[in-house]
Amino acid sequence: DQQVKQNSPSLSVQEGRISILNCDYTNSMFDYFLWYKKYPAEGPTFLISISSIKDKNEDGRFTVFLNKSAKHLSLHIVPSQPGDSAVYFCAASFRFSGNTPLVFGKGTRLSVIA
Amino acid sequence: EAEVAQSPRYKITEKSQAVAFWCDPISGHATLYWYRQILGQGPELLVQFQDESVVDDSQLPKDRFSAERLKGVDSTLKIQPAELGDSAMYLCASSLGLANSGANVLTFGAGSRLTVL
Repeated sequence: DQQVKQNSPSLSVQEGRISILNCDYTNSMFDYFLWYKKYPAEGPTFLISISSIKDKNEDGRFTVFLNKSAKHLSLHIVPSQPGDSAVYFCAASFRFSGNTPLVFGKGTRLSVIA
Repeated sequence: EAEVAQSPRYKITEKSQAVAFWCDPISGHATLYWYRQILGQGPELLVQFQDESVVDDSQLPKDRFSAERLKGVDSTLKIQPAELGDSAMYLCASSLGLANSGANVLTFGAGSRLTVL
């Protein structure tokens, strides 16, 4: 049973517009949510995280919104740039206690078209 | 910037052969993870180490996979014998592993791409 779900395998957006990537989760006990970006032939790189006690976290062009009641989070990228084209993974974890790895979704491939 | 080193980057082998992957985490990172990513899927945890001890290997196919981190620094993941279904990207990651210090941000290496023929 997948605990973290990214139901859109791909998304295409025009350069300069907003990209919205969605993620749903099933376990209400998750304490943190993270977004990673992955280019081909490279490992995932950390983008931004949010604690379950927050509903928004912003870092430059990237904002993550969390709706706990809906068990849903989204990553907004504004404005989108061609270099943002990559696979984006949503991940979740419990409060770290020495035994809490990240649980990943399947990823969404973002294509930003110039 | 500190990196997680992995080798080899690419490995092609025939089924029933043995393969091994090596990982050197960021210096000072106590926690080391091996993930497997099959094409089109997200990374899935195989094994987690805290220093030299295995914390979680519940998803590691122990009949053919083994992992060690003998001195609590670098780590090796071995597959013997390799099967066709083992073709995937094997990702190593590390983190400081501090309890109650916020989100557990993992730093990943570039991965080792395995193709089993």
